[in-house]
Amino acid sequence: GAVVSQHPSWVICKSGTSVKIECRSLDFQATTMFWYRQFPKQSLMLMATSNEGSKATYEQGVEKDKFLINHASLTLSTLTVTSAHPEDSSFYICSARATGLNTEAFFGQGTRLTVV
Amino acid sequence: GQNIDQPTEMTATEGAIVQINCTYQTSGFNGLFWYQQHAGEAPTFLSYNVLDGLEEKGRFSSFLSRSKGYSYLLLKELQMKDSASYLCAPKGSGNTPLVFGKGTRLSVIA
Repeated sequence: GAVVSQHPSWVICKSGTSVKIECRSLDFQATTMFWYRQFPKQSLMLMATSNEGSKATYEQGVEKDKFLINHASLTLSTLTVTSAHPEDSSFYICSARATGLNTEAFFGQGTRLTVV
Repeated sequence: GQNIDQPTEMTATEGAIVQINCTYQTSGFNGLFWYQQHAGEAPTFLSYNVLDGLEEKGRFSSFLSRSKGYSYLLLKELQMKDSASYLCAPKGSGNTPLVFGKGTRLSVIA
């Protein structure tokens, strides 16, 4: 099946620094990718929809200036957590669907972010 | 918007059968997904129902009733490794994102 690769799997950073997370569709093109965040024992919460070649669409309550999303190609979307704080520590997961197909969403492996 | 309701937790015995229910309200319904998520890992796809009825896939089956806004996931011959969260996600029309319910944490005990 289709594969979505997310990198890094885990990262520890200092408060105030920025962290970039990459999401790649390895064997299909995805005009749209989705970013989720999950706190321990909580549900997956949709943060934003990443659109290739245009601005991302953010869910209510998600700060677009803090969570920068870039979808520069049909196979790569990046999420940058800027000026990270300990409360940003969470599990971040991306997903993508093949363009034009009514198919399942494939998920990346997730990134465990810890801000110290 | 979407409204998804699943039981928060369930416990079942190894070798038994368990049914996880999901009710939903959504606009532009275009099928329903079930995912399995082990702690600390990304969700993995289990099933997709777009028509009413039961879809069987090995030990796992999924049922959908569109008119009732209801689905269930049936797990047979439970194994310890089936202990995980099970996420119900109705799909809207077009390329809309999947929005997940809170999930059901299933614990399989010996």
